[in-house]
Amino acid sequence: QQQVKQSPQSLIVQKGGISIINCAYENTAFDYFPWYQQFPGKGPALLIAIRPDVSEKKEGRFTISFNKSAKQFSLHIMDSQPGDSATYFCAASKGAAGNKLTFGGGTRVLVKP
Amino acid sequence: KAGVTQTPRYLIKTRGQQVTLSCSPISGHRSVSWYQQTPGQGLQFLFEYFSETQRNKGNFPGRFSGRQFSNSRSEMNVSTLELGDSALYLCASSISWPGNTEAFFGQGTRLTVV
Repeated sequence: QQQVKQSPQSLIVQKGGISIINCAYENTAFDYFPWYQQFPGKGPALLIAIRPDVSEKKEGRFTISFNKSAKQFSLHIMDSQPGDSATYFCAASKGAAGNKLTFGGGTRVLVKP
Repeated sequence: KAGVTQTPRYLIKTRGQQVTLSCSPISGHRSVSWYQQTPGQGLQFLFEYFSETQRNKGNFPGRFSGRQFSNSRSEMNVSTLELGDSALYLCASSISWPGNTEAFFGQGTRLTVV
């Protein structure tokens, strides 16, 4: 049972463009939504995270938008750079279950120079 | 501040053997979680340990087990290895449990079963 659905599976964006990745979740008990960035041969690195009491959070060029009623959240990468080329994972967890993360399937982003 | 350290980085094992992977969390972090990453199934939660006790378990067979020591270091063991166990095994550390705290991942152990 895939509780977090992520789309698209891959995307290509020009340098300077905006990358948008979407995730939808089913479990309304989820209350923490992080995004991770993973480069080949490396472990996932925490990028940015949001909790459902906030509709948007921005850190540098990365912004999370959260829509609680639609059970959706998205990552926007502004002014995309070739160094942003990586696989991005959304995830969700519920506090009562500890730190267990349920991950989306991942999005491979390629930023063309 | 040192990150999460996983050893070894690479392993090649034969079907039927068993393997032990090690994880040292960030200093001061007391929760350790393990994940399996494969191209087909993505990132899947195996289990979480806090204060030497398993707090959470994913949907994996009993061949997968783990433990945590008093210094918060953790090991996971896979017995009777199958070809399908080939994967990147990732360890993540968090400060505490329960509650949603930031999870930081190590570089993983790449296990190949032949």
